[in-house]
Amino acid sequence: GAGVSQTPSNKVTEKGKYVELRCDPISGHTALYWYRQSLGQGPEFLIYFQGTGAADDSGLPNDRFFAVRPEGSVSTLKIQRTERGDSAVYLCASSPSGRGASYEQYFGPGTRLTVT
Amino acid sequence: DAKTTQPTSMDCAEGRAANLPCNHSTISGNEYVYWYRQIHSQGPQYIIHGLKNNETNEMASLIITEDRKSSTLILPHATLRDTAVYYCIVRVRNDYKLSFGAGTTVTVRA
Repeated sequence: GAGVSQTPSNKVTEKGKYVELRCDPISGHTALYWYRQSLGQGPEFLIYFQGTGAADDSGLPNDRFFAVRPEGSVSTLKIQRTERGDSAVYLCASSPSGRGASYEQYFGPGTRLTVT
Repeated sequence: DAKTTQPTSMDCAEGRAANLPCNHSTISGNEYVYWYRQIHSQGPQYIIHGLKNNETNEMASLIITEDRKSSTLILPHATLRDTAVYYCIVRVRNDYKLSFGAGTTVTVRA
């Protein structure tokens, strides 16, 4: 079946601009996660959705970052007033459930964001 | 604070077994050891996980020491496609976050 997809695969934007990154999880997966990966480092957790609600957004670095999942499927990560330090690969993952079961997270290929 | 310690890099010959060590000396009784890998330009991929018993699946084997303070991921017959960064992660089973460290960059050479 189809895996997690992310669009766009690459995004170049100017400092100060607004960007949206989209994630299509595996059909039927109720849990969705966003991670950010800087060059040479492992992914860092940003936010976790269980259904439509953000169950944990403690990893979002500041209030310029916001994510939504209005219908419990597709999610959009939104970054306002982008800064050069926001340049990274943004990874999305989904899983059948968030807690209480042995499960794995399925990752998409990521969106490479470059802020110039 | 990092919960796991892994070597930065290692090489492996194609067709040979690759043994990837991981130290997790502060692991708690309810924490599992998970392994993920990340091939260049792809998202991380789940490999295997275990609590205290050794585990094996179609991708790899996981050997956890009796005191659970360290583990080894074994790729039985490494291929060039196994070249990737391998992450060892300690995690409570029903916790949703994955906390990645820097991982081990494994290069399989022909």
